[in-house]
Amino acid sequence: DQQVKQNSPSLSVQEGRISILNCDYTNSMFDYFLWYKKYPAEGPTFLISISSIKDKNEDGRFTVFLNKSAKHLSLHIVPSQPGDSAVYFCAANGGNNRKLIWGLGTSLAVNP
Amino acid sequence: DARVTQTPRHKVTEMGQEVTMRCQPILGHNTVFWYRQTMMQGLELLAYFRNRAPLDDSGMPKDRFSAEMPDATLATLKIQPSEPRDSAVYFCASGPGQGGLRPLHFGNGTRLTVT
Repeated sequence: DQQVKQNSPSLSVQEGRISILNCDYTNSMFDYFLWYKKYPAEGPTFLISISSIKDKNEDGRFTVFLNKSAKHLSLHIVPSQPGDSAVYFCAANGGNNRKLIWGLGTSLAVNP
Repeated sequence: DARVTQTPRHKVTEMGQEVTMRCQPILGHNTVFWYRQTMMQGLELLAYFRNRAPLDDSGMPKDRFSAEMPDATLATLKIQPSEPRDSAVYFCASGPGQGGLRPLHFGNGTRLTVT
């Protein structure tokens, strides 16, 4: 049973436009959320995070929004660049054991 | 730029053979994680160490998998005997502080193929 769900396996966006990657979670105990980016043949790299006490966190072109009532978060990339083409993983942390729970990832393709 | 180092990058072996994967965490990080990535399950946590002590290995098949940290600079993941269903990419990650409250740093993985 997936506690963190990324329902879109893939997304294609034109360069310069906005990319929106979505993530839903089921466990209300989660209180910290992270996005990682993964290129082929490399390990995931940390991108941006958000605590449940906030509803938005911004870092350059990347913004994460958290809607706790809907148990939903999204990652916005504006403007999208070809170098952003990668798999994006959403992960959540919380509860008794504090382990990260991962989504299955969304593959983003940014077309020139 | 400090990074997590994993060896080997690729491993092809026959069913029944022992496989050992190694990880050198970032110096000063006190948490180490082993993950397995498959298409169907995404990133599965296999084992988690803090200060070299195993805290959680509930995701690991105990009959064939073992994870250890002989010292602070080395983590190992062994599979004995290996099976074709073990074919996957195995990632090691390390982090400072308390587990998931600090971003993890991942190695580039070991791609294991068991024939």
